Amino acid sequence: AQSVTQLGSHVSVSEGALVLLRCNYSSSVPPYLFWYVQYPNQGLQLLLKYTTGATLVKGINGFEAEFKKSETSFHLTKPSAHMSDAAEYFCAVSDLRAAGNKLTFGGGTRVLVKP
Amino acid sequence: EAGVTQSPTHLIKTRGQQATLRCSPISGHTSVYWYQQALGLGLQFLLWYDEGEERNRGNFPPRFSGRQFPNYSSELNVNALELEDSALYLCASLRSGSSYNEQFFGPGTRLTVL
Repeated sequence: AQSVTQLGSHVSVSEGALVLLRCNYSSSVPPYLFWYVQYPNQGLQLLLKYTTGATLVKGINGFEAEFKKSETSFHLTKPSAHMSDAAEYFCAVSDLRAAGNKLTFGGGTRVLVKP
Repeated sequence: EAGVTQSPTHLIKTRGQQATLRCSPISGHTSVYWYQQALGLGLQFLLWYDEGEERNRGNFPPRFSGRQFPNYSSELNVNALELEDSALYLCASLRSGSSYNEQFFGPGTRLTVL
């Protein structure tokens, strides 16, 4: 079975500082990996995804993530936090072959941006 | 292009009642997924419908059920509501045969059980 672990349920960063959100996964087959963002009272918006190919993936709003197979990690970073980045972030894994695209999510990390 | 829509936005029910939640996928998408986001439990996969058939379900009791209509819209029914069913229910759609697995999410229906 697949699983996702996000280290830190809450992260506080200063505006302009680096944002680093950690995600580790467990999967018996090469996974598809995703980061979603959820703003208050809204659904999920895809930030970026890794399927195959280049392991450094760039997404929207200046975010990027690097797939490291040896570490089973897919950490999300943004060089300079903006107030609008305050939201909850979810890492997810799916396996097309095993379960028809269903997503398994981590517990989420809520980001607070301090002025 | 219109996104995934869900109705109603909010739903308040009492214990033992039934709730019906609706989802319209993006045009051209034939797969619909339902997820539950309950406080303290995170996001959990509920059901997957594709081409009108239930293809997979998560670890939820049978009182959670649904269907997919010929136009690919979907309905989630929760019978015999319990307090712990209070959650945000998210629907997502996917174009079958998509090689990139990207699910597009709706805004959710917040169900409150009193």
